Amino acid sequence: DIRMTQSPSSLSASVGDRVTITCRASQGISTYLAWYQQKPGKVPKLLIYGASTLQSGVPSRFSGSRSGTDFTLTISGLQPEDVATYYCQKYNSAPLTFGGGTKVEIK
Amino acid sequence: QVQLVESGGGVVQPGGSLRLSCAASGFTFRNYGMNWVRQAPGKGLEWVAVISYDDGSLQYYADSVKGRFTISRDNSKSTVYLQMNTLRPEDTAVYYCAKGVAVAGTLNWFDPWGQGTLVTVSS
Repeated sequence: DIRMTQSPSSLSASVGDRVTITCRASQGISTYLAWYQQKPGKVPKLLIYGASTLQSGVPSRFSGSRSGTDFTLTISGLQPEDVATYYCQKYNSAPLTFGGGTKVEIK
Repeated sequence: QVQLVESGGGVVQPGGSLRLSCAASGFTFRNYGMNWVRQAPGKGLEWVAVISYDDGSLQYYADSVKGRFTISRDNSKSTVYLQMNTLRPEDTAVYYCAKGVAVAGTLNWFDPWGQGTLVTVSS
């Protein structure tokens, strides 16, 4: 099975900082990757699909990119409301594996 | 709007069984694949199972639940189920139902998710 490795597992940044989260697939998955945001005590919410397509209603400070089997979620200008855990997920084939998550906090 | 409401969670002893339900509304249920995802307390997300759209003839499972859990659907009731047998303490989690996005698709990203139902496996 393909493994999805997220890094870092947690980070602390200041309001306005540019934040980058990486997800690495152990094999090629093309652009079959989604990103989700889960705020404390809340249900996961879709941010990005197709590696780089922003879900409707998601602020434009969120973006996604791909380089081979490496995927990046970028928050350009961290806001207090972005405090959450972020997960990547592959969906090219079963199992539809999630990454381990990245917890983002405000410094 | 699309709504997913899970039910059926509770406390069960190891080795026991439980059936979860997810009632859907706001979309043409039979046209979409449906998923179950779980989250153990304080842990990350773990995909559990998916069932294909329409007749649900395709099901896929995580290795951790294969042979113990069964996903099914009733399009007349717009409901997806997760039958969980031979439960273990490590199955303790909030179980979310999630709708696949693509019409007539099975393996795709999820949107939206239900509020979840807590399953606790303990003696």
